[in-house]
This record gives sequence, structure tokens and C-alpha cells, in this order.
Amino acid sequence: DGGITQSPKYLFRKEGQNVTLSCEQNLNHDAMYWYRQDPGQGLRLIYYSQIVNDFQKGDIAEGYSVSREKKESFPLTVTSAQKNPTAFYLCATSRRGQPQHFGDGTRLSIL
Amino acid sequence: AQKITQTQPGMFVQEKEAVTLDCTYDTSDQSYGLFWYKQPSSGEMIFLIYQGSYDEQNATEGRYSLNFQKARKSANLVISASQLGDSAMYFCAMREPNNYGQNFVFGPGTRLSVLP
Repeated sequence: DGGITQSPKYLFRKEGQNVTLSCEQNLNHDAMYWYRQDPGQGLRLIYYSQIVNDFQKGDIAEGYSVSREKKESFPLTVTSAQKNPTAFYLCATSRRGQPQHFGDGTRLSIL
Repeated sequence: AQKITQTQPGMFVQEKEAVTLDCTYDTSDQSYGLFWYKQPSSGEMIFLIYQGSYDEQNATEGRYSLNFQKARKSANLVISASQLGDSAMYFCAMREPNNYGQNFVFGPGTRLSVLP
């Protein structure tokens, strides 16, 4: 079954804690993206990666980190430096010149 | 500077009627792509329709069509024969090349409510 899997669906973070959101794809797409969406708002780009072992900061990268060790995986870590992490996080993939495909998202909340 | 503008925060339409959702964009590139996505309350992003900057014909996909006016830099989404299930957020997005590859920029969205 081809697609993008984001896990977990819901995640809670304590103060001072780092948490990692998973994004796995079996579409064989080169590019992967992380977006943040606040209630009633559009998508803002956090990080993106066009190839393995390389990634670029988006518009709101502060307080977040990523890695791209495998083509299939692009995990996002929300660090304790991100003071307002409560949001809906979406992972997307694309092939050059094609639309993005999205995962079902992870909702992160503060405890 | 805002690259994608959607001036309608919310729209209402009667079931079975057509509705147009506005989108204007800003780019200096000659090669770019324009997309519309639907986001129901459950949160997933559903790709609806795509228009390439070099495509001369307006894109259509079932009940969705894209009214592309390149000189005006607008890419409005037209939904014909609205259904209750069309109630959702709709996002216009643009793909543009950059030094690293390609990037996607999203507008703020329009919330469409279909009335029975």
C-alpha cells in the first residue's frame, strides 16, 4: 500500500522535552517536507530535503531539527527551544514537477 | 512578501450551485506550477487540481476547474454543482524553482461551507 505514514497521530510534550515526529514514505519520492499548521491558518514550511543527507531550512526552522539518512524517512524533532510547539504537523513528499502528497498529520500538544 | 493571496477567508454556497475561490500569486519565474488542495476537518490534505505555467488550456478534474489568467497572475478554483461534502478549507499553492530544487508556498486558505 503506497503512501506516507506519519506517527504518532497525537503527541504530548512536557516542558523542556524534545519529541520526534516520524514520517516514512514508500513512494520513492526524492523530496520531503515538514509543515506546521496552526488553527485556522495555512501551512508554514519548517524544513525540506531534496536528497538524502541534505536538507534546507524553511520559513520557521528555529526550535526544530531534522535528519535525512534514508530516502524513505524524514523525522522532525521539536526541541525544547521551540516555546510554542502546539500545532498540527504535516509531512509531504513530491517528485520533481509533480504535486505534493501529504501524510495524515500529527497533532502535538503541551502537557 | 505574500506570494499566494486568497482574499476570501470564508465562503458560503448553496448545494448544487457553482462557486469560485480566488487565488492570486506573485513570482518572477517563468516556470512554475499552481495547485489547489482541500483540507476537511479531519486534517488530511487532498490534492485537487494542477496548472502548469506553460499550459495554455485551463485544467479540469471532474467538478473542479482552474481559471488560469497568467497576465493577471490569478488561478481561481471553480467547483461546479457543490455538494455537502465539499465543505472544507481550500488552499492554493505554488511550486517554484529555487537554488536547491523546488519549493511549495501555500496561501492562507478559504473555508467553504456548502448549505443544504
